[in-house]
Amino acid sequence: EIVLTQSPATLSFSPGERATLSCRANHNIGSHLAWYQLKPGHSPRLLIFDASNRATGIPARFSGSGSGTDFTLTISSLEPQDFAVYYCHQGSTWPLTFGGGTKVEIK
Amino acid sequence: EVHLLESGGGLIQPGGSLRLSCAASEVTFSNYAFTWVRQAPGKGLEWVASISAIGAPTKYAPSVRGRFTISRDNFRKTLFLQMNSLRAEDTALYYCARGINAYLENAVFDSWGRGTVVTVSS
Repeated sequence: EIVLTQSPATLSFSPGERATLSCRANHNIGSHLAWYQLKPGHSPRLLIFDASNRATGIPARFSGSGSGTDFTLTISSLEPQDFAVYYCHQGSTWPLTFGGGTKVEIK
Repeated sequence: EVHLLESGGGLIQPGGSLRLSCAASEVTFSNYAFTWVRQAPGKGLEWVASISAIGAPTKYAPSVRGRFTISRDNFRKTLFLQMNSLRAEDTALYYCARGINAYLENAVFDSWGRGTVVTVSS
């Protein structure tokens, strides 16, 4: 099973700051990694797929990078609506797995 | 934009059964693979089961294989999850999610419902 590790579990930022989130896989998954945003009372939202492709309608401040086992989601300048929990997900190997999530909170 | 609406959740005793439904608004429902993902209280997202656009193949998480069955009715534009032999650890918010194509490979989910809550407790 592919285990995705997101650390730390919580990051604190002020609006306008740059946020960098990490996701590490225990085996090579190529570029088959996606990032989702989850806010209370909302449906999960696809942000990035295939490691670096922004989903339709996602603002340019969100970017993804990485391949193999190490991946990064960057939010270049945090907006108030960006404070949420972010999950990485691998669609490469069954069973599909998600990381444990990183909560981005307001400092 | 597709709208997905889950239903069928509720309170059920251990060992019981429930059938979840996910109704889609889009005409092209039959062009896409679909998946169930759950989130237990205070926990992260967990993949449950996936089904291709034509209904086969299907895939299951080890934790639900043999107890849950995913299916779909393309005419009614509805996804189902039959859950049998429910356990306390199945308690979660269950989401349905649309894949970006008809196949199960390289799964990515671009539309999600709001979820339906399943509580397994005596």
